[in-house]
Amino acid sequence: DGGITQSPKYLFRKEGQNVTLSCEQNLNHDAMYWYRQDPGQGLRLIYYSQIVNDFQKGDIAEGYSVSREKKESFPLTVTSAQKNPTAFYLCASSMDAGAIGTQYFGPGTRLLVL
Amino acid sequence: AQSVAQPEDQVNVAEGNPLTVKCTYSVSGNPYLFWYVQYPNRGLQFLLKYITGDNLVKGSYGFEAEFNKSQTSFHLKKPSALVSDSALYFCAVRGKGTDKLIFGTGTRLQVFP
Repeated sequence: DGGITQSPKYLFRKEGQNVTLSCEQNLNHDAMYWYRQDPGQGLRLIYYSQIVNDFQKGDIAEGYSVSREKKESFPLTVTSAQKNPTAFYLCASSMDAGAIGTQYFGPGTRLLVL
Repeated sequence: AQSVAQPEDQVNVAEGNPLTVKCTYSVSGNPYLFWYVQYPNRGLQFLLKYITGDNLVKGSYGFEAEFNKSQTSFHLKKPSALVSDSALYFCAVRGKGTDKLIFGTGTRLQVFP
């Protein structure tokens, strides 16, 4: 988990509310990623960013949005359009996205719906 | 399309015995293969990776994995299991020329004293 921080550890969302999950890295990595983890389904890619001010949709981007204004930060917003947001969210980073760099993960944020 | 399969949801092994966690993959071209471990309510920790070269890759905590191109497998192994190895293990693959890492569904390893 070293070098990548996620906050908060637990987050509660009310119906119709947008919530933002924080991800910060001090590894000077170019690429950052957001995954969603559900029991028995492994990790699914939500969004990824190879460079500042640029990002691409992953496999399950609907109902989520991201920004990449700084190299070290890649916040994820879970919008009210995401009807089933309860999951464990993991942020990762790698030196760059196009090569064989290892992805390193943060400690995760568990999102629960009230 | 890229895919990775972990055929066992759970593996049980006695402490001190050897362990194997299975992984098979499907990619076009040469694969880049990874193993990660996850402890409860924590992020994933990198164990080892295969990029090229020697088919036997050694990683953290005494784990190793063998790349077998003909069987498209990358099984994780350890000669002597510890109770502290009990965790969820993920295999992942990236095909050449793609940005995405595809994860398996995970295998829960339970090591009994």
